[in-house]
Amino acid sequence: DSGVTQTPKHLITATGQRVTLRCSPRSGDLSVYWYQQSLDQGLQFLIQYYNGEERAKGNILERFSAQQFPDLHSELNLSSLELGDSALYFCASSLLDTRGTQYFGPGTRLTVL
Amino acid sequence: KNQVEQSPQSLIILEGKNCTLQCNYTVSPFSNLRWYKQDTGRGPVSLTIMTFSENTKSNGRYTATLDADTKQSSLHITASQLSDSASYICVVRGGQNFVFGPGTRLSVLP
Repeated sequence: DSGVTQTPKHLITATGQRVTLRCSPRSGDLSVYWYQQSLDQGLQFLIQYYNGEERAKGNILERFSAQQFPDLHSELNLSSLELGDSALYFCASSLLDTRGTQYFGPGTRLTVL
Repeated sequence: KNQVEQSPQSLIILEGKNCTLQCNYTVSPFSNLRWYKQDTGRGPVSLTIMTFSENTKSNGRYTATLDADTKQSSLHITASQLSDSASYICVVRGGQNFVFGPGTRLSVLP
């Protein structure tokens, strides 16, 4: 158990819909990262927050957005969902910003029908 | 183009044997290189993190090397165990982005 929690574990929705994925980092960790893992594209970095501020952006689509709240939990919002958004979405947390070990959560499996 | 390549794509070894996985990258600027172990359907687990100045890092039976001049890294697994069966992923942080390799699928047979 990494100490990072993600909810829900599974999510099934339809194209065009909007969903919110939630992540609670390990106690004391200030950085939260979001990743997408699909069968055809492997793992991709989406976005990082550090102590409530956006710190780094990867291959995140404009239809996706995220935020980190004062209690340091984070949410990833996915809108106008397409079939290709079906994937495992992982959240990770680390104490530091750049060099810290990242601890991954169990992931949320999103299926778009 | 920032890219991370890994070889072999898959590997089968017998329990107790050693193996070495390779990672080549063209990511710039370079911040650090990480190796992860990922069991199917589960989140990756960090094995090692190396910066530009580090050329070897060990974590138990896992030893990673980094040659920043040739932009190559390797992960050596000693005395493999059945539980080592997993995907091993090389990740390079370049600037603000993380670039993932496709992974090497390792199967350890009894």
